Amino acid sequence: GNSVTQMEGPVTLSEEAFLTINCTYTATGYPSLFWYVQYPGEGLQLLLKATKADDKGSNKGFEATYRKETTSFHLEKGSVQVSDSAVYFCALSDNGGSQGNLIFGKGTKLSVKP
Amino acid sequence: GAGVSQSPSNKVTEKGKDVELRCDPISGHTALYWYRQSLGQGLEFLIYFQGNSAPDKSGLPSDRFSAERTGGSVSTLTIQRTQQEDSAVYLCASSLARRTNEKLFFGSGTQLSVL
Repeated sequence: GNSVTQMEGPVTLSEEAFLTINCTYTATGYPSLFWYVQYPGEGLQLLLKATKADDKGSNKGFEATYRKETTSFHLEKGSVQVSDSAVYFCALSDNGGSQGNLIFGKGTKLSVKP
Repeated sequence: GAGVSQSPSNKVTEKGKDVELRCDPISGHTALYWYRQSLGQGLEFLIYFQGNSAPDKSGLPSDRFSAERTGGSVSTLTIQRTQQEDSAVYLCASSLARRTNEKLFFGSGTQLSVL
């Protein structure tokens, strides 16, 4: 079945450090891929998405490229800020599948220190 | 409303009791989803509604779990005879339509603790 695997946290970085959170997936067909973010005390919200191979999603300085050959969608940011501290979830949806739900990874907690 | 609203935000109950969790989706959103977030786990899909019907109940973990949606709006997730392993954050999300690329809007969740 479809699944998402992302690197386990927590990840602790200093401000202005480079961030990579790895995400790989298993899916039949051609899924859409997402990164959701959950800031402390808030609900999940969409950070970025990519709907086909080689697409790059970007938002708030974060980027992720849909790599079909490596079945990956790694999240990157060149210079993190304290305000980026949150839990990040990689997810996929099965385009054209019978289910309308997203399948999420376990989440990666990021803490950025000043 | 402005966002997805869930109530209560926290619920503490005794093992064996029934609980009801409520979700108010964004007005006009036809699709509604329930997820469960357990400690150290990802988001586990429970059930999906399109309007008032539930075409996908595949994620409900047992027959103690049920959900309904009335008027194409508010949804209630009911857990009967709660067990300690039911302790988790229950998240509700809504979207404009069932399209799989559609952006989901999440509520802040209900933290359920079963003693």
